[in-house]
Formats: sequence, structure tokens, C-alpha cells
Amino acid sequence: DGGITQSPKYLFRKEGQNVTLSCEQNLNHDAMYWYRQDPGQGLRLIYYSQIVNDFQKGDIAEGYSVSREKKESFPLTVTSAQKNPTAFYLCASSIETTSGVTYEQYFGPGTRLTVT
Amino acid sequence: GEDVEQSLFLSVREGDSSVINCTYTDSSSTYLYWYKQEPGAGLQLLTYIFSNMDMKQDQRLTVLLNKKDKHLSLRIADTQTGDSAIYFCAESMGDSGAGSYQLTFGKGTKLSVIP
Repeated sequence: DGGITQSPKYLFRKEGQNVTLSCEQNLNHDAMYWYRQDPGQGLRLIYYSQIVNDFQKGDIAEGYSVSREKKESFPLTVTSAQKNPTAFYLCASSIETTSGVTYEQYFGPGTRLTVT
Repeated sequence: GEDVEQSLFLSVREGDSSVINCTYTDSSSTYLYWYKQEPGAGLQLLTYIFSNMDMKQDQRLTVLLNKKDKHLSLRIADTQTGDSAIYFCAESMGDSGAGSYQLTFGKGTKLSVIP
């Protein structure tokens, strides 16, 4: 069964603590993405990675960090520097090509992070 | 700049057709997508259309693209209660250099189906 898994589905943290959200895919996709979704808002891109050991900041990278040590995994750390971390976080992946063509992105089920 | 606009809400009766509209601003958009999000879940890709196409049909779904007006629509025939969800329109630039790997999403249209 191919797909993207995110764990846990719900996560609670105290303010000031760093927290890492997991994202794993077995689709053999090169590119992976992290988005943040707030109520009534579209998706905003946090970070993306086109290839192992490489990643770029998206539109709202401040207060977040990522790593891409394996093709299958793209964990997101929400640091204490993120001023408003409570949100729904979505991970996605897509096929990547050398021509830079963007193919459709496939999404995981999301992690709802609540920071109090 | 890139911007994708959608109306926020749509309400239809079960069995009627739903039409969800989207406008985008970047004429270099190469691919346009429709995603569905059910409560508390991730986004599910419904369909997509290349910018050189005018229409795409897939079972109950029909996508219409008007490049001149930068207008995209998703028609759902015989709408069912299971179609109640948020529908997102998204565009990508294809091979345009920096940012070509990103999708730009609208804020989503919440479709409510009345039994």
C-alpha cells in the first residue's frame, strides 16, 4: 500500500518546547513539502525538498526547521521561535523531474498541533 | 504575483449540480488542480488540467478552463452528501525557474450538500 504517513494525528505541547512532526512516504517520490493550514485559510508552504540532503524555504519558514537525510522521510521541527504554532500541518510529495516540471502533489492525513 | 481566488461557501441540494469557481492571476500557469479535503483529513487530488486544454471530464467531474479570463471551474454532477467537503483550486508554474516546484492554493470553497 503506497502512500504518505504522518504521525501523530494529534499533538499537544507546552509553549517554549520544540516539537518534531513525522512524514514518511513509500511512493518513491523525490520531492517533499510541508504546508501549514489555518482555519479558513489556504495552504501555506513552509519548506520543500527536491532531493535528499537539499531543501528550500517556502513562504513561512521562520520558526521551523527540516531535514532530508533519506528519500522517504522529511521531518518538520516546530521550534519555540514560531510565534503561533497551533495549526494543522500537512506533508506532501510529488515526482520530480530534471526539467523542473511540477507534477501533482499527494498529501498525508495531517497532524494537528496544539500549543498551550 | 501569484494569487488564486475562490468563493468561500457553496450550498446545493442533493442531486443538483455543483459548480465551484476559481480565478488565478499568473498567465504562465502550466497546470491547474482541484483537491478535496474532508474534515480533519489531508487533501485528496481530484483532477488536474494542463493549460493547453479547455475541458476535462472524469465521471461526475467536469473541469473547464478559460485561459483568456484565467478562470477555472469544477462541476460535480448529481451532487451527493458525500461530496460535502472543502475544495481547493491550485496552480503551478511548471518549468519557470525559481519556485517551479510549488503549488499556489486558493483558500478553498466549502461545499455543503443539503439532503
